[in-house]
Amino acid sequence: DQQVKQNSPSLSVQEGRISILNCDYTNSMFDYFLWYKKYPAEGPTFLISISSIKDKNEDGRFTVFLNKSAKHLSLHIVPSQPGDSAVYFCAASEGNSNYQLIWGAGTKLIIKP
Amino acid sequence: KAGVTQTPRYLIKTRGQQVTLSCSPISGHRSVSWYQQTPGQGLQFLFEYFSETQRNKGNFPGRFSGRQFSNSRSEMNVSTLELGDSALYLCASSPQGPSDEQYFGPGTRLTVT
Repeated sequence: DQQVKQNSPSLSVQEGRISILNCDYTNSMFDYFLWYKKYPAEGPTFLISISSIKDKNEDGRFTVFLNKSAKHLSLHIVPSQPGDSAVYFCAASEGNSNYQLIWGAGTKLIIKP
Repeated sequence: KAGVTQTPRYLIKTRGQQVTLSCSPISGHRSVSWYQQTPGQGLQFLFEYFSETQRNKGNFPGRFSGRQFSNSRSEMNVSTLELGDSALYLCASSPQGPSDEQYFGPGTRLTVT
């Protein structure tokens, strides 16, 4: 049973446009969400996070939106740049550092020049 | 600060053998998590150690085990290797737990023949 789902295995976006990556979850106890980015042959790197007390968090070109009622979060990248081409993972936890993260399967983002 | 290091980077083993992978976390980080990544499956959580204690374990058979030393370095062991164990094994460290920003190593690519 996948508690965190990224239903798009890949996404192709023109450079300069907005990239929107989606993530759905089923566990209503999740209250902390993170996005990681992964380049080939490297480990994932932390991108941005959001807790359930907020519905939006922004960091430069990256914004994460959380819709708790829909159990849905999305990552917006504006404007998209070639260096953004990577696999993006969303992960969720119950907010306590003692709990494990549950990860989605990832979405491969391709930025076209 | 030095990043998370994993050794070896690549490993080829045959079915039935056992393997030990090593992870050195960032200095001062007490939490070490291990993940298995296979194509299309995202990151599957193996276990997490904090101050030499296993706090969480994922849904993997008992052939997968680990430990953490007093200096926070961690090892994971897989016994009686199966072909399906071929994967990228990632180690991540964080100050207190997985919900903190985790820093990942480059991974160990294990191939079982």
